[in-house]
Order: sequence, then structure tokens, then C-alpha cells
Amino acid sequence: DQQVKQNSPSLSVQEGRISILNCDYTNSMFDYFLWYKKYPAEGPTFLISISSIKDKNEDGRFTVFLNKSAKHLSLHIVPSQPGDSAVYFCAAINNNDMRFGAGTRLTVKP
Amino acid sequence: DGGITQSPKYLFRKEGQNVTLSCEQNLNHDAMYWYRQDPGQGLRLIYYSQIVNDFQKGDIAEGYSVSREKKESFPLTVTSAQKNPTAFYLCASSQKGGILRGYTFGSGTRLTVV
Repeated sequence: DQQVKQNSPSLSVQEGRISILNCDYTNSMFDYFLWYKKYPAEGPTFLISISSIKDKNEDGRFTVFLNKSAKHLSLHIVPSQPGDSAVYFCAAINNNDMRFGAGTRLTVKP
Repeated sequence: DGGITQSPKYLFRKEGQNVTLSCEQNLNHDAMYWYRQDPGQGLRLIYYSQIVNDFQKGDIAEGYSVSREKKESFPLTVTSAQKNPTAFYLCASSQKGGILRGYTFGSGTRLTVV
């Protein structure tokens, strides 16, 4: 029962353009959402989060958008840089229980 | 530097053998977690511990065991009862009540059954 889904296993973007990574969830009880970034042979690192009472949170080049009615969130990276190439995991929390998506591999081409 | 250390980075095990994966943190975090990552799937929770000498099963605990005798350490044993143990294992920790700031992950152990 995958409550958090990232339907795109990979995404390729040109340097300087926008990267949009998507995430869908099924459990309406999730009240907090996070994005993690993972490089090969390393553990995921926390990137940005958003509470369910908000619809947008911005941190530098990274912005997370939440559409509760659609049960959908997205991570925008603008402008994309080659160093952003990594696997991005979406995660959602309900009552201290964190669920992860399968990840999207982002490749930013120079 | 504070962080989580997982060892070894790569581990090979023969079928039928038990193997223990190490996870140590010096962040003074109360909670620790073990996840398993398989291709095309999200991180799946194996076991977690909110406090010393207490731990709870996650979604896929069968074939695994843990202990939490010290706050800093949360070793995971993959037993011979685990039918498909080849995977990438991640340990994580968080402060009590700090889940909203995300977990701190170790760099993982890749276990291969040969």
C-alpha cells in the first residue's frame, strides 16, 4: 500500500531551466510533507518541507507547492544546476509516521 | 562533526547466515530508524526506536531483529528468515518531537546475499 507516489522515475533538464518534481499521496491525514535529496552511495538529506496548512514554501532556488484538494505536491528548482543531479524523495507525515515515495532521479545537463 | 555512521558500506552474506549492520549516532537524538530501499520502491520502515530499551516493528519487520541498549547505537540483524535480504539499508535518527525537521540519515549499507 504505497501512500506516497512519485510516478516519474526520472527527469532530465537543461542547466538553467526549471526542474519540476511531482508527488501524489492518498492519505488525507498527512499533515506535513518533506523533500529529501540523495546522492549515490549516500543517505538522503533533508531539503525542504511544507505544512498542510500552507500551499507554498520557498527556500532559495527550491519551492514546494502543495495542492491539498488534488493530494499533490511538487518541488520546483529554479534555475537548475548540474549539482542538483540526484534522486529526490518525497515524504509525508501523519502522527509521527513518515512515508516515502520511490524517488525521482533528476539529471541536469550542462 | 555530529552525524550517523553506518558500517560496513558493503556486506556480502551467504544464504542461511545472520548478519548485523551497525548504526551509531552522536547527535544525541532519541529516535532511531531502519529503512530498506529496493529499486523502484520508496524507503520502507523495518524497525524504529523512540527511546533506549524500546523498539517497535515497522512495515517489513519479518526476518529482522534490533536492539537499543544505548542511545547512540541501533544495530540491525538480518536473519536467515529474511527471504530476500539483498537491498540497500539506511539508518536514520531524529530528535524527540523533531520529525518535522526531517531525519538525519547515514550513508547506508549495501547487503548482497551470495
